[in-house]
This record gives sequence, structure tokens and C-alpha cells, in this order.
Amino acid sequence: ETGVTQTPRHLVMGMTNKKSLKCEQHLGHNAMYWYKQSAKKPLELMFVYSLEERVENNSVPSRFSPECPNSSHLFLHLHTLQPEDSALYLCASSQEGEAGGLHEQFFGPGTRLTVL
Amino acid sequence: AQSVAQPEDQVNVAEGNPLTVKCTYSVSGNPYLFWYVQYPNRGLQFLLKYITGDNLVKGSYGFEAEFNKSQTSFHLKKPSALVSDSALYFCAVRDPYGNNRLAFGKGNQVVVIP
Repeated sequence: ETGVTQTPRHLVMGMTNKKSLKCEQHLGHNAMYWYKQSAKKPLELMFVYSLEERVENNSVPSRFSPECPNSSHLFLHLHTLQPEDSALYLCASSQEGEAGGLHEQFFGPGTRLTVL
Repeated sequence: AQSVAQPEDQVNVAEGNPLTVKCTYSVSGNPYLFWYVQYPNRGLQFLLKYITGDNLVKGSYGFEAEFNKSQTSFHLKKPSALVSDSALYFCAVRDPYGNNRLAFGKGNQVVVIP
């Protein structure tokens, strides 16, 4: 186990549903990330939170809404998704410092999302 | 922006043979380089990283990688592959002088044949 947990592990939803993905890290890290993993494509960075502030939003559609209530928890709220949003959604955390970039990211097991 | 290329979709190797997974990178300055492995239905697991110092980096499960600045490469190697090494391998690069974000390659599926 990496110290990063995600729930649920699998989610099937219709296009009109609203659901949320949850991530929790037990590593004391100060940065958290959402990635989208689709087959045969590089991981796509969606959102970055550092010290609970959103520092990056990579042109993600507004039907994805992140929330970081504290440094240990990260949510991804989903509404009116499209079938092409079906993918594995990965959460990660890391400890960022002044030097930046030295430390690896630790990943959760992911949520396999299917949009019907 | 930084990027990595993993030119092969799949690498097949017989058990006990050497395993190499290729990665080339592009950054504006000195790179920070990482390898991750993903087993089925799991998240990515960190294998090793190059930040500075010795070009040959040793990591988990007997893997190592060599940083080659002139060829902008960071190939992953293992002297003797195991069937349990069958997984998806990702190379990643950070540019500490750029946006400092981790850019991943598309991944290589490694199949170790018994």
C-alpha cells in the first residue's frame, strides 16, 4: 500500500447523475493531484492542490469539480458526464518544498469510472 | 514544456533474459526523471528516480536506469526478468526550471514469457 486510498474503486453512472470520488492520503504530504488515465494515452494531469490551494487546472471541463477541504483529503465531484469521460481516475500526493520536484508522487489505486 | 517518449507499445522478453524499457525526454534545463510501474487494477508505484549525481540509478525490485544526457535518454533495465515483472511501465520527467509538473509517457506494456 502506498498510503493513498481512493473510494469507490469502481463507479458506473449515467450521464445525468452526480457522484463524487474521494481520495485520502496518510503520508503527511502537502500537495495532491488528480490524473485521468485512458488506454494507450499518457496520464493527463487534471488538477493540482498545494497547501489546499488549487494551483493548476489543465483546461478540464466544468463537469469535473475538485475540492480539497484539508491537506489529507481530495474530492472530485462529477456531474453530467459524457461517455468519453470513462477512464481510470488516479489520485496522487507528494511533499513539495522550496527546491521543488525532488520527491516522487505516491498514487492511489484509482477509481474505474464508466459513464453510460 | 517537458515531455517524454516511450517508443514501444509492448516489450516481450523471455524469463531470465535482460529487460530494457526505453525512454527519451525533452526539457529546457536539467531534468528530474522517474520510472513508475502499474500492475493490473492498481495505481502507479514508484520504482526509481534521477535527480543529480551518479548516472546509474538503482531502484526497487532489481531495476536500474541510466541517465544519458547526450542522448536525452533514461532507459529502464533489469538483468534478469521475472514473470512477475509483467506490467505497464511509465517514464516521467519534471523540469524544475519550468512549470515543475510531472509529464508522463504513454507507457510500455512489458510481457515476460515463462
